[in-house]
Amino acid sequence: AQKVTQAQTEISVVEKEDVTLDCVYETRDTTYYLFWYKQPPSGELVFLIRRNSFDEQNEISGRYSWNFQKSTSSFNFTITASQVVDSAVYFCALLRGGADGLTFGKGTHLIIQP
Amino acid sequence: DTAVSQTPKYLVTQMGNDKSIKCEQNLGHDTMYWYKQDSKKFLKIMFSYNNKELIINETVPNRFSPKSPDKAHLNLHINSLELGDSAVYFCASSQEGVSYNSPLHFGNGTRLTVT
Repeated sequence: AQKVTQAQTEISVVEKEDVTLDCVYETRDTTYYLFWYKQPPSGELVFLIRRNSFDEQNEISGRYSWNFQKSTSSFNFTITASQVVDSAVYFCALLRGGADGLTFGKGTHLIIQP
Repeated sequence: DTAVSQTPKYLVTQMGNDKSIKCEQNLGHDTMYWYKQDSKKFLKIMFSYNNKELIINETVPNRFSPKSPDKAHLNLHINSLELGDSAVYFCASSQEGVSYNSPLHFGNGTRLTVT
């Protein structure tokens, strides 16, 4: 069975602080994909990043960075110099090969205070 | 040019009614999905369709039935609505086999309220 754990239910920081959202996953598959999605207050789900299980390179995109470590089954997400517009619920998700659909974590509600 | 569009955006109805939510994707994807997001924001897959064939049917009541007239559409029909069906329903699509460059694309959601 697959499982994604986002232990942080809610995080509140002051603008310009750095913040890391944790994601730990469980799977018996050797091929799988990890995702992060953002859900702003408007409700839509916005794709942020996808990594496959064979690519452990960290990724940086502007103020966003992701740290994938298979040894600890973690795929953490860091926002540097946070902004109020980063306030949202962030979901980590796991996908097996094929068309099984995503298994989501329960989400982390990130609040950036001005 | 919305990639995945679902209608209506809001749906308010009474218990016992039958309703449908429509979903269309213009990405040429092979697989479409329905997800349910409950009041605690938890997202769970309900169905997926690949080439008009049901791939997954999680533990969803049989009052819910996906209908796919063609590869670009996957509608969700719900019979005898119950209070517990109130949620946000998301449609999504992806290319079969989850190619590296094909994340799931989600619609903007349909907020269903059953009174």
